[in-house]
Amino acid sequence: ETGVTQTPRHLVMGMTNKKSLKCEQHLGHNAMYWYKQSAKKPLELMFVYNFKEQTENNSVPSRFSPECPNSSHLFLHLHTLQPEDSALYLCASSQDRRGTHQGETQYFGPGTRLLVL
Amino acid sequence: AQKITQTQPGMFVQEKEAVTLDCTYDTSDQSYGLFWYKQPSSGEMIFLIYQGSYDEQNATEGRYSLNFQKARKSANLVISASQLGDSAMYFCAMRFTGGGNKLTFGTGTQLKVEL
Repeated sequence: ETGVTQTPRHLVMGMTNKKSLKCEQHLGHNAMYWYKQSAKKPLELMFVYNFKEQTENNSVPSRFSPECPNSSHLFLHLHTLQPEDSALYLCASSQDRRGTHQGETQYFGPGTRLLVL
Repeated sequence: AQKITQTQPGMFVQEKEAVTLDCTYDTSDQSYGLFWYKQPSSGEMIFLIYQGSYDEQNATEGRYSLNFQKARKSANLVISASQLGDSAMYFCAMRFTGGGNKLTFGTGTQLKVEL
C-alpha cells in the first residue's frame, strides 16, 4: 500500500483542454513534490512545497500551475499542453526537518500517465 | 554539480541468485544521503533503502543491501535471492545538503529476473 495517492491514474487530453492532477498524502508529511518522468530520461523535479509554500520551481513552463492548499494535498493544473508534455507525473511527500538532516525519504504515489494529443 | 551515474541500462539474473546494480555519484558535499527506488511497470516508485554519508555500516533492508564505498563514491544495490517480482526498473538517487529537499536521480537499470 502507499500513503500517497494520485488521481487520475490515466489522462488523455487535447492541447486546448484544462485538467488537474490531484495528489494526497496520508503520512503526516510537510513537504510535497511534483516530478515528471519522460521515456528514457531521469526523473525531473518540477515543484517543491514545504509547509504549503512553494520553495522550488525548476524552470517549469507556465502551462503547469501547482497549488498546495494544505500540507496533505497538492494539485497540478494543466492548460494548453504540448504533445511533448506526455509523461508520467509523480507526486511525492517527505517530512522536512529544515536543514537538520540529509536523509528525509520521499515517498511516491502511483503516478498519472498523461497523454497529450 | 551533483550527478548520479547508473551504467547498466539492463541486467538479467536467474531466480534465487544475487545481483548487484551499480551506482556512482559525484558531489563535493560531505553530508548527503543515497537512496534506491524500485519502479515496477505500474509506475509507482517504491523506496527500498537509504544510506547516509556518515553512516559507517552498510544499510540493509531484508534482501536489499547497499554496498557503500565512500572513497570510490559508489553505492551499489545488492539484491539477494532474486525473485520474479524483483523484475523492475531500479533508480539510484542522492540528496545533498545544499540542495534542500531535492533528489537527483540516475537513469535507472532495468532488471529482469528469469526462471
